[in-house]
Amino acid sequence: EVQLVESGGGLVQPGGSLRLSCSASGFSFTDYGMRWARQAPGKGLEYVSSITYNGGSTFYADSVKGRFIVSRDNSKNTVYLQMSSLRAEDTAVYYCVNGGATSGGVSGIYWGQGTLVTVSS
Amino acid sequence: EIVLAQSPVTLSLSPGERATLSCRATQSVSNYLAWYQQRPGQAPRLLIYDASNRATGIPARFSGSGSGTDFTLTISSLEPEDFAVYYCHQRSNWPYTFGQGTKLEIK
Repeated sequence: EVQLVESGGGLVQPGGSLRLSCSASGFSFTDYGMRWARQAPGKGLEYVSSITYNGGSTFYADSVKGRFIVSRDNSKNTVYLQMSSLRAEDTAVYYCVNGGATSGGVSGIYWGQGTLVTVSS
Repeated sequence: EIVLAQSPVTLSLSPGERATLSCRATQSVSNYLAWYQQRPGQAPRLLIYDASNRATGIPARFSGSGSGTDFTLTISSLEPEDFAVYYCHQRSNWPYTFGQGTKLEIK
């Protein structure tokens, strides 16, 4: 069974930092790019970051560029999102999602349950 | 950035009826268009990928069509569990984007 389990969310003050983790199991993690998406309360979906299967390339939405850093540890089947200089508008549920695979697997089919990040004083 | 516009914003139908949801892109996304269903309190679920391919385990009443800039999700006969929010999504160009969603509600 495929599982993506996010952790690290919580309440943080504006300007603060937080690191999210996503632990993957049940599929060949090292073959897949990985992405982070978010959804503000009552709003739509937004991809904020993506990383290739080997960590060689990373991508960011303009809304988080320069503040968020995505990384991965393939020995631990884990992807991370380091968030800094957090703003109220970063408040959202953050989802870990699979990307494209070197083996041609379907991207965007596996989603974690999400972790809530609340930026507030 | 490619913007996806979904219509209608809200669709009110009864179980057993046919639902047609539209998604229009501001530039061609080829066939790199997916459809998701999201129920309250749940993560999105992939229904259709690459415009017309059903994801594993998705019932045959769901179908997708289109290419370039105009896409359609059709639900042939609505079941009670189909009333949810639907998003289209493009992975043609980064930043990958989603439409604003169509809420399918019970009439």
